[in-house]
Amino acid sequence: DAGITQSPRYKITETGRQVTLMCHQTWSHSYMFWYRQDLGHGLRLIYYSAAADITDKGEVPDGYVVSRSKTENFPLTLESATRSQTSVYFCASSESSTFTYGYTFGSGTRLTVV
Amino acid sequence: KNEVEQSPQNLTAQEGEFITINCSYSVGISALHWLQQHPGGGIVSLFMLSSGKKKHGRLIATINIQEKHSSLHITASHPRDSAVYICAAHSGGGADGLTFGKGTHLIIQP
Repeated sequence: DAGITQSPRYKITETGRQVTLMCHQTWSHSYMFWYRQDLGHGLRLIYYSAAADITDKGEVPDGYVVSRSKTENFPLTLESATRSQTSVYFCASSESSTFTYGYTFGSGTRLTVV
Repeated sequence: KNEVEQSPQNLTAQEGEFITINCSYSVGISALHWLQQHPGGGIVSLFMLSSGKKKHGRLIATINIQEKHSSLHITASHPRDSAVYICAAHSGGGADGLTFGKGTHLIIQP
């Protein structure tokens, strides 16, 4: 089915471990985004990508790494997980930078760092 | 940076009631988005508007650019409308120009 698929849905990891969250879209949207959602905050942008091999930092990029070798995939890596990175992570995609045609979210990954 | 405030934070109402959720922002914008997040966590884009009013089924979104304010209305509310409603202001300037509100948690009781 077309759309955005995130995996895993749930993940528990230990402090200091590397974790990769996957995001795959079938829309062929140019723009892809990673957000984190925490209590008391709105969604906050971690990184985004305008096209394959083009990525840029958002509001809260520290401790995260992204890559985009193919248009459809946009993995997010936590290089050395910390408890403060416990959050729900959403991937999203859009056809344009102005979101003129709206945008699509994945189902989210709930990450717990212990 | 745009400051986006939503009110109320929490709202419980009876089935059939008319619901209003408010969103205000501090800086001029190119567009305002309303999103719906279901209890399971999935987020759906409901509306994008830059002026006037849009309607989809029982949902109506309005925006007043001069007052920097938008409202989301739900007519004849139903328990399946229970969700978190999020507004997001796009200040322009590119794909990183979206600022999200903290959301309004709506519960519609039968």
